[in-house]
Amino acid sequence: RKEVEQDPGPFNVPEGATVAFNCTYSNSASQSFFWYRQDCRKEPKLLMSVYSSGNEDGRFTAQLNRASQYISLLIRDSKLSDSATYLCAVNWDSSYKLIFGSGTRLLVRP
Amino acid sequence: DVKVTQSSRYLVKRTGEKVFLECVQDMDHENMFWYRQDPGLGLRLIYFSYDVKMKEKGDIPEGYSVSREKKERFSLILESASTNQTSMYLCASSGLAETTDTQYFGPGTRLTVL
Repeated sequence: RKEVEQDPGPFNVPEGATVAFNCTYSNSASQSFFWYRQDCRKEPKLLMSVYSSGNEDGRFTAQLNRASQYISLLIRDSKLSDSATYLCAVNWDSSYKLIFGSGTRLLVRP
Repeated sequence: DVKVTQSSRYLVKRTGEKVFLECVQDMDHENMFWYRQDPGLGLRLIYFSYDVKMKEKGDIPEGYSVSREKKERFSLILESASTNQTSMYLCASSGLAETTDTQYFGPGTRLTVL
Protein backbone atom coordinates (compact mmCIF):
# COMPACT_ATOMS: atom_id res chain seq x y z
CA ARG A 1 0.00 0.00 0.00
CA LYS A 2 1.27 3.45 -0.87
CA GLU A 3 1.92 5.75 2.06
CA VAL A 4 -0.36 8.48 0.72
CA GLU A 5 -2.83 7.76 -2.05
CA GLN A 6 -5.01 9.94 -4.23
CA ASP A 7 -7.28 9.25 -7.16
CA PRO A 8 -5.38 10.83 -10.08
CA GLY A 9 -8.61 11.85 -11.86
CA PRO A 10 -9.15 13.88 -13.88
CA PHE A 11 -12.36 15.07 -12.30
CA ASN A 12 -14.18 16.94 -15.05
CA VAL A 13 -16.97 19.11 -13.63
CA PRO A 14 -19.07 22.04 -14.86
CA GLU A 15 -18.74 25.49 -13.36
CA GLY A 16 -20.78 25.80 -10.21
CA ALA A 17 -20.53 22.13 -9.31
CA THR A 18 -19.45 20.78 -5.94
CA VAL A 19 -16.56 18.35 -6.08
CA ALA A 20 -14.78 16.37 -3.39
CA PHE A 21 -11.44 14.60 -3.29
CA ASN A 22 -10.16 12.12 -0.77
CA CYS A 23 -6.63 11.26 0.23
CA THR A 24 -5.84 8.15 2.26
CA TYR A 25 -2.73 7.72 4.40
CA SER A 26 -1.26 4.62 5.95
CA ASN A 27 0.53 5.97 9.03
CA SER A 28 -1.90 6.19 11.94
CA ALA A 29 0.63 8.29 13.88
CA SER A 30 0.53 11.16 11.36
CA GLN A 31 -0.37 14.47 12.99
CA SER A 32 -0.24 17.14 10.31
CA PHE A 33 -2.20 17.23 7.09
CA PHE A 34 -2.25 19.66 4.21
CA TRP A 35 -3.80 20.35 0.84
CA TYR A 36 -1.68 22.02 -1.84
CA ARG A 37 -2.73 23.31 -5.23
CA GLN A 38 -0.40 22.99 -8.19
CA ASP A 39 -0.97 24.67 -11.53
CA CYS A 40 0.58 23.25 -14.67
CA ARG A 41 4.39 23.67 -14.66
CA LYS A 42 4.29 25.66 -11.43
CA GLU A 43 5.22 24.93 -7.85
CA PRO A 44 2.75 23.54 -5.28
CA LYS A 45 1.16 26.26 -3.19
CA LEU A 46 -0.38 25.71 0.20
CA LEU A 47 -4.15 25.73 -0.04
CA MET A 48 -4.99 24.87 3.54
CA SER A 49 -3.93 22.92 6.57
CA VAL A 50 -6.34 20.27 7.81
CA TYR A 51 -7.22 20.33 11.46
CA SER A 52 -8.91 17.67 13.56
CA SER A 53 -12.08 19.71 13.76
CA GLY A 54 -12.13 20.39 10.05
CA ASN A 55 -11.70 23.81 8.57
CA GLU A 56 -13.25 26.01 5.97
CA ASP A 57 -11.87 28.79 3.82
CA GLY A 58 -14.47 30.33 1.56
CA ARG A 59 -15.58 27.71 -0.94
CA PHE A 60 -13.06 25.17 0.32
CA THR A 61 -13.62 22.77 3.21
CA ALA A 62 -11.08 20.28 4.49
CA GLN A 63 -11.85 17.44 6.86
CA LEU A 64 -9.88 14.77 8.65
CA ASN A 65 -11.16 11.30 9.42
CA ARG A 66 -8.63 9.66 11.72
CA ALA A 67 -10.57 6.44 12.16
CA SER A 68 -10.55 5.71 8.45
CA GLN A 69 -7.25 7.52 7.86
CA TYR A 70 -8.22 9.92 5.16
CA ILE A 71 -8.51 13.63 4.56
CA SER A 72 -10.94 15.25 2.19
CA LEU A 73 -11.21 18.48 0.26
CA LEU A 74 -14.59 19.83 -0.80
CA ILE A 75 -14.85 22.62 -3.34
CA ARG A 76 -18.23 24.32 -3.67
CA ASP A 77 -19.37 26.48 -6.58
CA SER A 78 -16.40 25.46 -8.74
CA LYS A 79 -14.77 28.17 -10.83
CA LEU A 80 -12.80 27.79 -14.04
CA SER A 81 -9.80 29.05 -12.08
CA ASP A 82 -10.04 26.05 -9.74
CA SER A 83 -8.70 23.84 -12.54
CA ALA A 84 -5.42 22.50 -11.18
CA THR A 85 -3.87 19.48 -9.53
CA TYR A 86 -4.56 19.11 -5.82
CA LEU A 87 -1.90 17.42 -3.73
CA CYS A 88 -2.40 16.15 -0.24
CA ALA A 89 0.53 15.99 2.17
CA VAL A 90 0.90 14.15 5.45
CA ASN A 91 3.68 14.36 7.98
CA TRP A 92 5.28 11.02 8.69
CA ASP A 93 7.24 11.17 11.87
CA SER A 94 8.92 13.73 14.08
CA SER A 95 11.31 14.72 11.32
CA TYR A 96 9.12 17.43 9.70
CA LYS A 97 9.14 15.44 6.49
CA LEU A 98 5.95 15.48 4.48
CA ILE A 99 4.81 12.67 2.25
CA PHE A 100 2.91 13.91 -0.78
CA GLY A 101 0.24 12.17 -2.75
CA SER A 102 0.60 12.09 -6.52
CA GLY A 103 -2.24 14.56 -6.91
CA THR A 104 -5.79 14.70 -8.20
CA ARG A 105 -6.38 16.66 -11.36
CA LEU A 106 -9.47 18.85 -11.52
CA LEU A 107 -10.85 20.29 -14.74
CA VAL A 108 -13.69 22.79 -14.45
CA ARG A 109 -15.47 23.36 -17.74
CA PRO A 110 -17.68 26.32 -18.73
CA ASP B 1 5.11 36.28 2.95
CA VAL B 2 7.48 33.35 2.74
CA LYS B 3 9.79 33.64 -0.17
CA VAL B 4 11.76 30.72 -1.56
CA THR B 5 13.84 31.38 -4.64
CA GLN B 6 15.73 29.05 -6.91
CA SER B 7 18.70 30.05 -9.01
CA SER B 8 17.32 29.05 -12.41
CA ARG B 9 13.90 28.34 -13.88
CA TYR B 10 15.29 26.38 -16.81
CA LEU B 11 18.64 24.66 -17.18
CA VAL B 12 20.11 22.53 -19.95
CA LYS B 13 23.23 20.50 -19.22
CA ARG B 14 25.20 17.74 -20.88
CA THR B 15 25.71 14.22 -19.58
CA GLY B 16 28.63 14.10 -17.16
CA GLU B 17 28.53 17.76 -16.21
CA LYS B 18 28.48 18.81 -12.57
CA VAL B 19 25.30 20.74 -11.87
CA PHE B 20 24.53 23.09 -8.98
CA LEU B 21 20.98 24.04 -8.08
CA GLU B 22 20.67 26.77 -5.48
CA CYS B 23 17.78 27.55 -3.17
CA VAL B 24 17.43 30.52 -0.84
CA GLN B 25 14.69 31.26 1.68
CA ASP B 26 14.19 34.52 3.53
CA MET B 27 12.06 33.37 6.48
CA ASP B 28 14.75 32.04 8.81
CA HIS B 29 13.37 28.51 8.41
CA GLU B 30 15.32 25.70 9.99
CA ASN B 31 14.21 22.99 7.57
CA MET B 32 14.91 22.83 3.87
CA PHE B 33 14.08 20.15 1.32
CA TRP B 34 14.90 19.15 -2.24
CA TYR B 35 12.37 17.19 -4.30
CA ARG B 36 12.12 16.10 -7.85
CA GLN B 37 8.79 15.81 -9.60
CA ASP B 38 8.14 13.57 -12.57
CA PRO B 39 4.85 12.80 -14.34
CA GLY B 40 3.06 9.92 -12.68
CA LEU B 41 5.58 9.70 -9.84
CA GLY B 42 4.64 12.75 -7.81
CA LEU B 43 7.05 14.58 -5.51
CA ARG B 44 9.99 12.50 -4.35
CA LEU B 45 12.28 13.68 -1.58
CA ILE B 46 15.97 13.70 -2.47
CA TYR B 47 17.61 15.28 0.61
CA PHE B 48 16.61 17.49 3.48
CA SER B 49 18.33 19.50 6.16
CA TYR B 50 17.34 20.56 9.68
CA ASP B 51 20.17 22.90 10.34
CA VAL B 52 23.33 24.39 8.97
CA LYS B 53 25.83 21.73 7.89
CA MET B 54 23.30 19.03 8.61
CA LYS B 55 21.75 16.79 5.94
CA GLU B 56 19.61 13.69 5.77
CA LYS B 57 18.94 11.40 2.84
CA GLY B 58 15.45 11.29 1.47
CA ASP B 59 13.93 8.57 -0.65
CA ILE B 60 16.08 8.95 -3.77
CA PRO B 61 19.51 10.38 -2.84
CA GLU B 62 21.56 8.37 -5.34
CA GLY B 63 23.43 10.58 -7.78
CA TYR B 64 22.88 13.72 -5.68
CA SER B 65 24.59 15.53 -2.85
CA VAL B 66 23.69 18.67 -0.92
CA SER B 67 25.34 21.50 0.93
CA ARG B 68 24.02 23.79 3.63
CA GLU B 69 26.70 26.23 4.71
CA LYS B 70 24.26 28.99 5.68
CA LYS B 71 20.81 28.72 7.19
CA GLU B 72 19.07 30.44 4.30
CA ARG B 73 20.76 28.51 1.49
CA PHE B 74 20.47 24.85 0.47
CA SER B 75 22.25 23.61 -2.62
CA LEU B 76 21.62 20.45 -4.60
CA ILE B 77 24.56 19.04 -6.54
CA LEU B 78 24.44 16.54 -9.36
CA GLU B 79 28.00 15.22 -9.37
CA SER B 80 27.80 13.81 -12.90
CA ALA B 81 24.52 14.57 -14.59
CA SER B 82 22.73 11.78 -16.40
CA THR B 83 19.72 11.82 -18.72
CA ASN B 84 17.55 10.12 -16.09
CA GLN B 85 18.04 13.20 -13.91
CA THR B 86 16.02 15.28 -16.36
CA SER B 87 13.20 16.50 -14.16
CA MET B 88 11.55 19.38 -12.33
CA TYR B 89 13.47 20.14 -9.13
CA LEU B 90 11.62 21.84 -6.31
CA CYS B 91 13.08 23.31 -3.16
CA ALA B 92 10.96 23.86 -0.05
CA SER B 93 11.44 25.23 3.43
CA SER B 94 9.58 25.03 6.72
CA GLY B 95 10.09 25.82 10.35
CA LEU B 96 8.20 28.66 11.97
CA ALA B 97 7.14 27.58 15.44
CA GLU B 98 3.38 27.51 14.86
CA THR B 99 3.53 25.94 11.44
CA THR B 100 6.64 23.82 11.61
CA ASP B 101 5.47 21.20 9.16
CA THR B 102 4.07 23.56 6.57
CA GLN B 103 6.35 23.58 3.57
CA TYR B 104 6.68 26.48 1.15
CA PHE B 105 8.04 25.85 -2.30
CA GLY B 106 10.27 27.73 -4.66
CA PRO B 107 9.26 28.14 -8.31
CA GLY B 108 11.20 25.08 -9.43
CA THR B 109 14.05 24.42 -11.83
CA ARG B 110 13.29 22.45 -14.95
CA LEU B 111 16.52 20.61 -15.72
CA THR B 112 17.17 18.90 -19.02
CA VAL B 113 20.22 16.68 -19.34
CA LEU B 114 21.21 15.92 -22.93
